Amino acid sequence: GESVGLHLPTLSVQEGDNSIINCAYSNSASDYFIWYKQESGKGPQFIIDIRSNMDKRQGQRVTVLLNKTVKHLSLQIAATQPGDSAVYFCAENPGWGEYGNKLVFGAGTILRVKS
Amino acid sequence: KAGVTQTPRYLIKTRGQQVTLSCSPISGHRSVSWYQQTPGQGLQFLFEYFSETQRNKGNFPGRFSGRQFSNSRSEMNVSTLELGDSALYLCASSPDRAEKLFFGSGTQLSVL
Repeated sequence: GESVGLHLPTLSVQEGDNSIINCAYSNSASDYFIWYKQESGKGPQFIIDIRSNMDKRQGQRVTVLLNKTVKHLSLQIAATQPGDSAVYFCAENPGWGEYGNKLVFGAGTILRVKS
Repeated sequence: KAGVTQTPRYLIKTRGQQVTLSCSPISGHRSVSWYQQTPGQGLQFLFEYFSETQRNKGNFPGRFSGRQFSNSRSEMNVSTLELGDSALYLCASSPDRAEKLFFGSGTQLSVL
């Protein structure tokens, strides 16, 4: 079946350090990838996205890296802050083909920031 | 712009009942997707509607259904509720393709 990402791991980082959250995707036909942040009691919130014709994209304090060869996606957060504590999800869109137009989500990673 | 609005925020039902959840997308967004989120299964795609038509469907039983109205507002219905239907149901909208979905805060459904 379709699957993106890992079982729910936890990443603990010290405030001010950089964080790297990893994600493996399964569908080589996917042409769009996205990272979401979900805080307790809220819906997922968009962080950054990237298309398959790119291998890196930067936002404010965040960078997404895409390695299509090994089907791997990562999210880098610079100078991690307590407010970054949340569950982070990667997701892929397998395209308009037989898998349809939808986002397939990974299991998520818990990020805990220690002050 | 106002975000995606889901109602109700919390719902408690008993087994065998049915439930209807509502979603108002961001103004101008024509695609509405529904997801079920549970601790064990994560975020699972239910279905997607575009211009009042179901354009895509996930692997859920027929007890789960939805519809979209001409103003893009959407509802999902779950009939004959089971304990395993307890979950956070999330609605998301986008202008067209399922990219950069904007999510609501969800409806927390508890089935007793």
